[in-house]
Order: sequence, then structure tokens, then C-alpha cells
Amino acid sequence: ETGVTQTPRHLVMGMTNKKSLKCEQHLGHNAMYWYKQSAKKPLELMFVYSLEERVENNSVPSRFSPECPNSSHLFLHLHTLQPEDSALYLCASSQDPQSGAYNEQFFGPGTRLTVL
Amino acid sequence: DQQVKQNSPSLSVQEGRISILNCDYTNSMFDYFLWYKKYPAEGPTFLISISSIKDKNEDGRFTVFLNKSAKHLSLHIVPSQPGDSAVYFCAAFSGSARQLTFGSGTQLTVLP
Repeated sequence: ETGVTQTPRHLVMGMTNKKSLKCEQHLGHNAMYWYKQSAKKPLELMFVYSLEERVENNSVPSRFSPECPNSSHLFLHLHTLQPEDSALYLCASSQDPQSGAYNEQFFGPGTRLTVL
Repeated sequence: DQQVKQNSPSLSVQEGRISILNCDYTNSMFDYFLWYKKYPAEGPTFLISISSIKDKNEDGRFTVFLNKSAKHLSLHIVPSQPGDSAVYFCAAFSGSARQLTFGSGTQLTVLP
């Protein structure tokens, strides 16, 4: 595998389910990101992990819970979601953004989530 | 309020002609501006960037122009090819916030 991979690619879940999205990067990066893309809206940054520590949480509801066990893996745990949470969830990775310099972000293909 | 805006949700251009995609921003503190391209069922991929201290950057068929006084940037693709049909996202990077802020995207369709 190369680049950034995400599983599953599609997920349908009920509001009472618990599920997890997985992201893996094979680029040697040390920062990982979760974005949400709703239809016709900008990509919204949800979480940033740098060197396995969460450095950003953009006021995301607690029903979304990220986990970064190491620099190559990122999870997004989902529970009691709402239908309005249906969206494309994209994972990205880059070199450490802590320096303030821009480092290109590489995106995975996304997980298309539908909440019934 | 969106800091990065792409006011045209779609654009159709004939093959061989120029495609011009536009983007406006409100935060004068952005350090870099970028364009990402997204095909269906794939994640966005980086296309071209420009530093806030430049006014033009060219890479093959792609040129990005930055007008800081107008807080406006544009992506020119010439000549346009059918394979360029995709959603193009404008993004801006703030070094202090260490974040990318994206626009809502423009669907470009290049007609053969």
C-alpha cells in the first residue's frame, strides 16, 4: 500500500450504532488530520494530531472521538450519530505542521458515511 | 462566515480553451494559497501553490495568480483537457494557526 488509505470506503449506520473509521499513512509523516466534507460545503477540519498528540479540535461534538495510537494510524470512533453527520470523511497526513511552515497534506480517498 | 470562498459551484469549458477558476478570501494573514483537485471516489490531490509574497506561479498548463489587494486568487488551465474535469478546491494556509482552510469547490467540466 502507498499513500494514505482509509477503510471502510462506505459505511451505513443507525443512530444507535458504534463504528470506527480507520486511516493509515505510508509516507513517513508525523501529522494526521480528519476532515469532514458535506455536500456543497468546504472541507471542515475536525482534528489534528501532531507527533501523536492532538493539537487541534475544532469544536467537534463528542459523538466523534479520534484516536492516534502511532504516527501511521488514525481512527475516528463514532457513536450515537445524527443523520446530519452523513458526509465524506477524509483523512490526511503531512510532515509536522508545528514549525508554522506549510507542509503538503496528502489525502486518503475518504469514507462515505450515511447515518439513518 | 467562510474565510475562503469559491462562488462558482460549476464551470464548463470547451477542450483546448482556457479554464479560469476563482477564489476569494477574507483573512489577510494567510501565508500560502493552494489548489487541490478531486476526482470522484478519490481524495483531493495537491495541484499548485503560491506564497503570499508572490503574485504568480506557473507549472506547465497550470498558473495561479494572486491579487493581494483584492484578496483574490485564480487558477488558469490552458489548454484545458477532458482529463482536467474534476472538482477544484481553493485552500489557504495560516502559519500561525497551522491549518488549511478550504473553499467549497468548483466542478470543472471540460467538454471534448
